[in-house]
Amino acid sequence: EAQVTQNPRYLITVTGKKLTVTCSQNMNHEYMSWYRQDPGLGLRQIYYSMNVEVTDKGDVPEGYKVSRKEKRNFPLILESPSPNQTSLYFCASSFKGHFTEAFFGQGTRLTVV
Amino acid sequence: QQPVQSPQAVILREGEDAVINCSSSKALYSVHWYRQKHGEAPVFLMILLKGGEQKGHEKISASFNEKKQQSSLYLTASQLSYSGTYFCGTEDDYKLSFGAGTTVTVRA
Repeated sequence: EAQVTQNPRYLITVTGKKLTVTCSQNMNHEYMSWYRQDPGLGLRQIYYSMNVEVTDKGDVPEGYKVSRKEKRNFPLILESPSPNQTSLYFCASSFKGHFTEAFFGQGTRLTVV
Repeated sequence: QQPVQSPQAVILREGEDAVINCSSSKALYSVHWYRQKHGEAPVFLMILLKGGEQKGHEKISASFNEKKQQSSLYLTASQLSYSGTYFCGTEDDYKLSFGAGTTVTVRA
């Protein structure tokens, strides 16, 4: 089954404790991205990757890191999480970066206390 | 820069129609539309490309006017299953930016 898989689905952590949210897709898509969703603000893009070893900032990259060492995986790293990073996070992938459907993972609800 | 959607919310009775608008301050080459049901991930509805082409998904259609930098999503003869939050997305180089969303509630 074609899918984007995120883990974990729920995470509660403390301020400053490094964490990684994993994202994997099995569709051989070139383009992957991370979004955060907050009430009233919609989906805001954090980082995106056009292909292996190629990443760039989205609209809200501060406090986040990403890497793309393999085509299928695109982990999101929070080196020192803060309460304002409490949010619902989605990973998405698409065949290429332009004019193609994005497939979203099921989301990760992160709470930083 | 995020596109602007209106209205923020709309309540419909089954069978009624609604229009959701999406506008951008930048030149548009494409507009995406997605629907997200409560507690789920966003799901793709359609992409409209430059050229004013109208597309459809069930009884949901959309138009794209690149000169006005606007797109509209039309919900026709709404069904209970149309309830959810609708997002438009616009591409700027390789960035895909979404609007804040329009919450649609369809009541029996």
